[in-house]
Amino acid sequence: AQRVTQPEKLLSVFKGAPVELKCNYSYSGSPELFWYVQYSRQRLQLLLRHISRESIKGFTADLNKGETSFHLKKPFAQEEDSAMYYCALSGRNTDKLIFGTGTRLQVFP
Amino acid sequence: DTGVSQNPRHKITKRGQNVTFRCDPISEHNRLYWYRQTLGQGPEFLTYFQNEAQLEKSRLLSDRFSAERPKGSFSTLEIQRTEQGDSAMYLCASSLQGEQYFGPGTRLTVT
Repeated sequence: AQRVTQPEKLLSVFKGAPVELKCNYSYSGSPELFWYVQYSRQRLQLLLRHISRESIKGFTADLNKGETSFHLKKPFAQEEDSAMYYCALSGRNTDKLIFGTGTRLQVFP
Repeated sequence: DTGVSQNPRHKITKRGQNVTFRCDPISEHNRLYWYRQTLGQGPEFLTYFQNEAQLEKSRLLSDRFSAERPKGSFSTLEIQRTEQGDSAMYLCASSLQGEQYFGPGTRLTVT
C-alpha cells in the first residue's frame, strides 16, 4: 500500500532549538518525496523535494531508502517557521501526490 | 494574481443539492489536479487532467462526483446529491512539469 506517515500531530519548540519533523513512507518502487508547508491563512506550497537536494529556508531533508524515511530538519528554528508541514510522495508513473496527515510546528519566542 | 484561483471560496448547501466548483490554473500549466482535505487530514487525491484528458481518478471519486476540463484550461468539479460527508476543503493544483501549485481551496459545508 502507498502511504505516508507523519507520527506527530504537533511539535513545539523554542526559537533557536533544532527541529526534526518525521516522515515515513510505504511505496513499492522509487517514489519522489516532497515537503509542503502551509503558513497561517496561506495556500499550500512546496518547501522542498528530495531530488533537488536543496536547503530551503534552512530546512533540509534526506531520503533514507533503507528506513523509508524523509525527515525534515532545521538546526535553529525561527518563529516564522510556525506552520503546518505535510510530507508527500508521488510515484514514477503518476503525478498524483499522496500526503501524510501533517505536523503542526509551533516555535515559541 | 497569476496563481491558481478557485471559486467560490466558501459554499454552504443543503444535503441533496448539487454544487459546482471552478478552478483556474496558472495559464501555461497543462496539468490540473483536484484534492479533498478533511479536518485533521492531509489532502487526498481525487483526479487529474493533462490538457483536457482526465488521466486518473481516485476510488474516492464516487459516481456523484464529476470533473471536467473542456478546453484544457479551467476545470469544474461537480458533486451531485451532496451528503454531509462531502463537507471538506476542495483543493485544486496545477503544474507544467514537477511542482504542483495549489489554489486557496473551496470550503464546502453540507447541512
